[in-house]
Amino acid sequence: DIVMTQSPDSLAVSLGERATINCKSSQSVLYNSNKKNYLAWYQQKPGQPPKLLIYWASSRESGVPDRFSGSGSGTDFTLTISSLQAEDVAVYYCQQYYANPQTFGQGTKLEIK
Amino acid sequence: EVHLVESGGGLVQPGGSPRLSCAASGFTFSDHCMSWVRQAPGKGLEWVATIMQDGSETYYVDSVKGRFTIFRDNAKKSLYLQMSSVRADDTAVYYCARASTDTAYRPLDYWGQGILVTVSS
Repeated sequence: DIVMTQSPDSLAVSLGERATINCKSSQSVLYNSNKKNYLAWYQQKPGQPPKLLIYWASSRESGVPDRFSGSGSGTDFTLTISSLQAEDVAVYYCQQYYANPQTFGQGTKLEIK
Repeated sequence: EVHLVESGGGLVQPGGSPRLSCAASGFTFSDHCMSWVRQAPGKGLEWVATIMQDGSETYYVDSVKGRFTIFRDNAKKSLYLQMSSVRADDTAVYYCARASTDTAYRPLDYWGQGILVTVSS
């Protein structure tokens, strides 16, 4: 199974500042035939289901604010929130959909400092 | 608008066989792979199973293989998870989720609100 490891487990950032969450996979999730990274990021607010933010490691889902961006390739990925807003308080998960079982990172809890 | 509504959860005795349902609307159900993802209380997300758009192939996490069955009825626009021999560590909120296209290897772009299954005597 591909193990997804996020860092840090929790993060406190001041409003308007940048937040960075990392995700590392135990093996590459880059599919050579199409050069796509099978990596997604989700946001989960308390009492709500997860919401897809980023797919193919760096493509923003429709309706997601442009302060959210994804980067990385192969085994190392990053979710960046360029200017933290109060409504961004949530737990963030990375997920690989390269192979079954599809696996999630353990989650990173983002709070306001 | 896409809607996924789960039902069938609740308190179940160990060894029981609950069936979860997910009613889909707002999109062409038969064009999408569908998945179940669960979340134990206070824990992270765990992918449980995926079914191809025509039901021809299914995939499971090892911990539920042989105990859970994912299936669908495209005419009824419904997804199901038949659970059996449930145990305490199956206690979780179960989410129905849509894959973004007709292949299993795609992100999950819409999720239901989830249904709680509690396994306890």
